[in-house]
Amino acid sequence: EVQLVESGGGLVQPGRSLRLSCAASGFTFDDYTMHWVRQAPGKGLEWVSTISWDSGVIAYADAVEGRFTISRDNVKNSLYLQMNGLRVEDTALYYCIKDAAVGYWYFDLWGRGTLVTVSS
Amino acid sequence: QSALTQPASVSGSPGQTISISCTGTSNDIGVYNSVSWYQQHPGRAPKLIIYDVSNWPSGVSNRFSGSKSGNTASLTISGLQADDEADYYCSSYTADTSVVFGGGTRLTVL
Repeated sequence: EVQLVESGGGLVQPGRSLRLSCAASGFTFDDYTMHWVRQAPGKGLEWVSTISWDSGVIAYADAVEGRFTISRDNVKNSLYLQMNGLRVEDTALYYCIKDAAVGYWYFDLWGRGTLVTVSS
Repeated sequence: QSALTQPASVSGSPGQTISISCTGTSNDIGVYNSVSWYQQHPGRAPKLIIYDVSNWPSGVSNRFSGSKSGNTASLTISGLQADDEADYYCSSYTADTSVVFGGGTRLTVL
């Protein structure tokens, strides 16, 4: 079964750090670009970051540039998001997503998400 | 990376056809045929239903169709069904090597 399982979310104080992980299974992980997208409670979707299959292309949303770092381990079939300098506005459900691999960046397979709450 | 503009809500009766608009700029929708649409039911992860403006992923009903004119894209749902009631988001690749979403449209099936 093709699956993405996120972990690492939780309650953290403003200014602190958190590292999200995403375990992929059921497909050839290193064939695909991967993404993180977040959704604040009751709000819409917001693209966060993207990493190509070989980590050669990495992109970030302006809102997280310089604070978040995306990475992957193709041996461990895992995607990561290191989040530093967290802000209250980073509170959201963070989804790990497999790209559709049909050209542009499309969000094909979604995990269930991991909730990050930034609050004092 | 400004969000695309969608109506907050639309509604229709079973069997009807509805459309949802998504307006961007010459930096995103206007320059790339990279519009996609996502359906999200409450408490669920979003699902890709249209990519490359008008293509269907495997398994998606052809009652969903997409189009684009200039800086505006549209999602049309024909033969409206109760299960179509959900939130719909458009998205586009941008010239800044990023992705931008619309604010989302709540579809109510009356």
